[in-house]
Amino acid sequence: GQQLNQSPQSMFIQEGEDVSMNCTSSSIFNTWLWYKQEPGEGPVLLIALYKAGELTSNGRLTAQFGITRKDSFLNISASIPSDVGIYFCAGHSAGGTSYGKLTFGQGTILTVHP
Amino acid sequence: NAGVTQTPKFQVLKTGQSMTLQCAQDMNHNSMYWYRQDPGMGLRLIYYSASEGTTDKGEVPNGYNVSRLNKREFSLRLESAAPSQTSVYFCASSGAPTDTQYFGPGTRLTVL
Repeated sequence: GQQLNQSPQSMFIQEGEDVSMNCTSSSIFNTWLWYKQEPGEGPVLLIALYKAGELTSNGRLTAQFGITRKDSFLNISASIPSDVGIYFCAGHSAGGTSYGKLTFGQGTILTVHP
Repeated sequence: NAGVTQTPKFQVLKTGQSMTLQCAQDMNHNSMYWYRQDPGMGLRLIYYSASEGTTDKGEVPNGYNVSRLNKREFSLRLESAAPSQTSVYFCASSGAPTDTQYFGPGTRLTVL
C-alpha cells in the first residue's frame, strides 16, 4: 500500500527560529494536505495543495507540492510558542477505489522553547 | 456551523462490551470517514462512506462495523471491545469541490 515518510519525527527549537519538515511518498498523490493537531483536539487543516509545483502560504506557513508529486514540505517562519503541536502531512489519491482516502505521515512533534 | 461533532468525548469499556461512537457533520458533505490514532502510528482509516448508502473498509476494519444513517451521520460500532481497540477515534467528512477532509474533536476510548 501507499506509505508516507515524514521527517523529522520531532523538533525542539527556540522561539523565533524557522522550522522545516517534509514528506515523501512511494507513489503519486493528486493532493497534499498539511494538518496541525494540538493536545486533546482533532487535526486542523493548515494548507491544501492541489497542483504539482504549487507553492502556497498561510501567514507564517509556506508549503509546496513537489514537482514529482511524490513529496511536499512545510516551513514555519519565526516560530512562536503557540506553534507547538503535531504536524501531519497527508496525501490524497482521487479516483477509482481509493477515492477520497487520505494516507497520513507519522507526524512531526514540534516543541518551541520561549 | 459546528463542522464535525463526535460523541462521546471519553469512554471506558470492559473487554467484551459493545458501544457505538456517533459522528455528525453539518457541511453537507457526501463523504465521511472513521480513523483511529495510536502513538507513533499517525491516523489509520477504519471505514469510510463515499456517499449516503455506501460504506467501504479502510486499512484496519477488523472488529468494527459502521452505519451511514443519513447524509449527516456516520456511526462506528464495536461489537465486542478488546484492549487492542484502546485508541483515539476521529471522524472526518469531505465534499466537493476539493474533497478536503475536516476532522471532529475525537473520542478517547479505553478498553480494560
